[in-house]
Amino acid sequence: SAVISQKPSRDICQRGTSLTIQCQVDSQVTMMFWYRQQPGQSLTLIATANQGSEATYESGFVIDKFPISRPNLTFSTLTVSNLSPEDSSIYLCSVGPGTSDGYTFGSGTRLTVV
Amino acid sequence: GQSLEQPSEVTAVEGAIVQINCTYQTSGFYGLSWYQQHDGGAPTFLSYNGLDGLEETGRFSSFLSRSDSYGYLLLQELQMKDSASYFCAVTNQGGKLIFGQGTELSVKP
Repeated sequence: SAVISQKPSRDICQRGTSLTIQCQVDSQVTMMFWYRQQPGQSLTLIATANQGSEATYESGFVIDKFPISRPNLTFSTLTVSNLSPEDSSIYLCSVGPGTSDGYTFGSGTRLTVV
Repeated sequence: GQSLEQPSEVTAVEGAIVQINCTYQTSGFYGLSWYQQHDGGAPTFLSYNGLDGLEETGRFSSFLSRSDSYGYLLLQELQMKDSASYFCAVTNQGGKLIFGQGTELSVKP
């Protein structure tokens, strides 16, 4: 299965600023997904990032707040803009499905907004 | 809309067998999978069912009934290291993975 390197692993940011999270995959993949996981909660899909086209956002998530780039088949970034304490969460990227039909996740970025 | 329901928590003892159920309502259903997540870790893939029936992978088995919109994860010979959160997830149109709320499994000695 694919291996994903996600950076940063954690960050503490001031409200009003932005944080960009990077995911690098060790193989070419068609789709990459971005999730948010609030403490003690499940994973919520933010958007699907396809190379060469705009990301597709889920209900409740907008491009101005969560701009995504997908410059090639192995890399994607998610920016969380105009940060507020409510954005404090874990953000994860994912790729799949693989040959076993499973999806692989990055190690996550724990964001704290102060 | 889409929804998945699973118990919020389950407790069992070492060596026992536990079953975590999942019911779902979704459009464009392709399959049901299960993921394990330890505190502070990323979700890891356990099992996938695209067709009705039982899939077995070591101590873990997963079952799907598409007509009942129901599946379960069966964990046998429980070990302390199995204490974690377990999520069922539906793969739908566009290859999106939509997660249930998760079941926290506590394994006691």
